Amino acid sequence: GNSVTQMEGPVTLSEEAFLTINCTYTATGYPSLFWYVQYPGEGLQLLLKATKADDKGSNKGFEATYRKETTSFHLEKGSVQVSDSAVYFCALSDGPTRGNKLVFGAGTILRVKS
Amino acid sequence: KAGVTQTPRYLIKTRGQQVTLSCSPISGHRSVSWYQQTPGQGLQFLFEYFSETQRNKGNFPGRFSGRQFSNSRSEMNVSTLELGDSALYLCASSLGLARSTDTQYFGPGTRLTVL
Repeated sequence: GNSVTQMEGPVTLSEEAFLTINCTYTATGYPSLFWYVQYPGEGLQLLLKATKADDKGSNKGFEATYRKETTSFHLEKGSVQVSDSAVYFCALSDGPTRGNKLVFGAGTILRVKS
Repeated sequence: KAGVTQTPRYLIKTRGQQVTLSCSPISGHRSVSWYQQTPGQGLQFLFEYFSETQRNKGNFPGRFSGRQFSNSRSEMNVSTLELGDSALYLCASSLGLARSTDTQYFGPGTRLTVL
């Protein structure tokens, strides 16, 4: 079945450092890809999405490009802040003919130090 | 526009009891999906409801059930609770387009603890 693999964390960075969180997927067909963020004690917030190959999703300084040739959707940010500390989940939509179930990666904890 | 709301936010139950969780979707959204989040298994899909019908189901035992009302609000029920059911239960709503571009928006979750 479809699956998502994320780099293991935690990732610890200093403020203003460059961030990359790797995400690769296995899927049949043409899934949409998503990044969600979860702050402590909260639910998931949609960070960005891309619905077809070569699309770039972006939001709040975060970016990710849908690379079909490498089946990847890596999350990047040029300069992280302490407030970016959270858990980041990569996900794909699973099966357009069967509703839009999301398949998630294991999540990557990001810690940003001041 | 108000977001997805879930009630209650926290629940403590004992083994063998049953529990009902509630979710109110974003206005205009017709699909509600439920997910279970645990440290060991991560985020797992439970089921999706659209127009009061279950459209998709994950690999959970029959103790987990749900329903959707005509106003798109949804409830999920867990009967005969087990210790392993302790988790954060997340509800997500979307327009309900049966294609991968449909975007799901999540509520804050209900934290269930089974003692």
